Parts: sequence; structure tokens; C-alpha cells
Amino acid sequence: GNSVTQMEGPVTLSEEAFLTINCTYTATGYPSLFWYVQYPGEGLQLLLKATKADDKGSNKGFEATYRKETTSFHLEKGSVQVSDSAVYFCALRKAAGNKLTFGGGTRVLVKP
Amino acid sequence: NAGVMQNPRHLVRRRGQEARLRCSPMKGHSHVYWYRQLPEEGLKFMVYLQKENIIDESGMPKERFSAEFPKEGPSILRIQQVVRGDSAAYFCASSVGGETHEQYFGPGTRLTVT
Repeated sequence: GNSVTQMEGPVTLSEEAFLTINCTYTATGYPSLFWYVQYPGEGLQLLLKATKADDKGSNKGFEATYRKETTSFHLEKGSVQVSDSAVYFCALRKAAGNKLTFGGGTRVLVKP
Repeated sequence: NAGVMQNPRHLVRRRGQEARLRCSPMKGHSHVYWYRQLPEEGLKFMVYLQKENIIDESGMPKERFSAEFPKEGPSILRIQQVVRGDSAAYFCASSVGGETHEQYFGPGTRLTVT
């Protein structure tokens, strides 16, 4: 079946540091890949997505590239801010499907 | 445009009681999804509904859990005879259509069973 594995947190960084959160997946076919962010007390928000191999999703300074050869979709940001403190979820949706399969989430804490 | 609404935000039930969780989708959305997040785990799909129809309930526990999305009113996730293991955050998402359409999530209902 489909599955998503992402690095465990918490990840603690200083402001302006470089952030990487690793995400790998197992799926048949060509799934769509997503990163969601959950700020304290709120629901999940879509951060970025990629629907085919070599696509790069980007938003708010975050980027992730769909790598089919390594079945990965790592999230990166060059310079984090305190406001980036949140839980980040990697997810996939298989082709011709509706439900999302999530990784376990990575808590990121950015200190001033 | 209001987002996905869920209520209550926090719900405490004693073992054996019933829990009813409500989800009002975004305006114009007719597709609803329920996910459960157990402590220290990621979100797990439970059920996908369209108005008056259950499309995919492959993630629903076989007993005690049911979901509906009536023609009028919110979607309801119902848990009968709750047990401690049901303690979790339950998230609802809605979309305007299926498959390629983005799912918008609500803030979740945190259920605690004492």
C-alpha cells in the first residue's frame, strides 16, 4: 500500500538558518505529492504540491522537488523565520484517487 | 468566505458515551473527508462522502463508527460507546470536487475519552 515517511522532530533552528525536512514515499504509479503546514490551534494548510516527476512546488520561500528516482519530496527553506514554527506534514494522493496519505509530521521550532 | 468549520473544538466523553463531531464544509463544496490523528502519529484517512452518499469508507473502524453527510446540514462523524483508544484529533476536509481538487482542512475536534 501507499505510505509516507518523514523525519521525526522536533527540529530546532535559529532564525535565518536553512531548513530541510526529509520525506520519502512508497506508492504505485505516479502519485501527487504535497506538503501541508499546521500552525498551533489551526487546521492543515496546503503549503505546496507537485503532480509529476521533476516538478518543483514552491510557496512562501519553501521548495520541494518531486524525485521519482529516489521517491522523495524533501522540503527546504533557505532562511527560516520565527513565524515558520509549525508542524509540517508530507502527503501523497495516488493518481485517480481522493484520499491523502500522510507522514507522521515534523515539528519545527525556530528561535529568535 | 468562511473556511471549513468543525465543532466542538474540544469534546470530553466518558467511556461508553457517544461522541458526535460536526463538520460544515466551505461554501460550494460538496465533498467531505474525515481524518483521524492519534497521539504522536500522522493523519489517517477514515471516510470520504458526497452529499447523501458514502464514497469510500475504507479507513473507518468496522464497529462503533459511522458518518453521514445529509442533503442539508453538516457532515456528522458519530462514535458510539467510546473507548480510551478513540482519544484523538479528528479533522474534516472539504473540496469542490473529487480527485484533483484541493482539500481544505478544518481546525479539528480534539476528543478526550476519560
